[in-house]
Amino acid sequence: DTGVSQDPRHKITKRGQNVTFRCDPISEHNRLYWYRQTLGQGPEFLTYFQNEAQLEKSRLLSDRFSAERPKGSFSTLEIQRTEQGDSAMYLCASSSGRGGSNQPQHFGDGTRLSIL
Amino acid sequence: AQSVSQHNHHVILSEAASLELGCNYSYGGTVNLFWYVQYPGQHLQLLLKYFSGDPLVKGIKGFEAEFIKSKFSFNLRKPSVQWSDTAEYFCAVNAQNAGNMLTFGGGTRLMVKP
Repeated sequence: DTGVSQDPRHKITKRGQNVTFRCDPISEHNRLYWYRQTLGQGPEFLTYFQNEAQLEKSRLLSDRFSAERPKGSFSTLEIQRTEQGDSAMYLCASSSGRGGSNQPQHFGDGTRLSIL
Repeated sequence: AQSVSQHNHHVILSEAASLELGCNYSYGGTVNLFWYVQYPGQHLQLLLKYFSGDPLVKGIKGFEAEFIKSKFSFNLRKPSVQWSDTAEYFCAVNAQNAGNMLTFGGGTRLMVKP
């Protein structure tokens, strides 16, 4: 079990730039989740995939946010035209699809985004 | 929609003291309940989970939690804390049969003094 891997660990960019983060889930997990965590808060759900299908995206914060998982393996989260308020930790998690919603999610180390 | 409240934002204890962290959720249906821990500089790790059955669940490192349905609570306990328990603790729920999103509480930062 190599765990959930996220890249990069830190991203610093200027306001208005686009950023893309990558997540590699645990290899046998077919569900993948994105969360955002701001300082002093718990993680906030953004979206999730089962295999390559994005089954929930209504929680994405705005139309500047998008996520893909084209081959059902790794996923990318893109933020276009970044704003100061996008500064946060972006977390990825994965879980097995067996057993429905009661499979625990395993989290990566996150990507910390700082907007200058 | 679900929501989760953790009433203690910061807790400071001496080693060997007993710990209880509160977690209350609001949702009218059946839920799965989790406690995650985040040690300094590390990722979120699962401490324990409740899906059904015995409402008293035991997790790793001597932690346990009790689901009290009538109180919508899932408090975390440990009889004797250690310095290594210093971490942030998050309670989370997801609604069974209503998607896989986890709703987290705001977290409790625990500091254990040696």
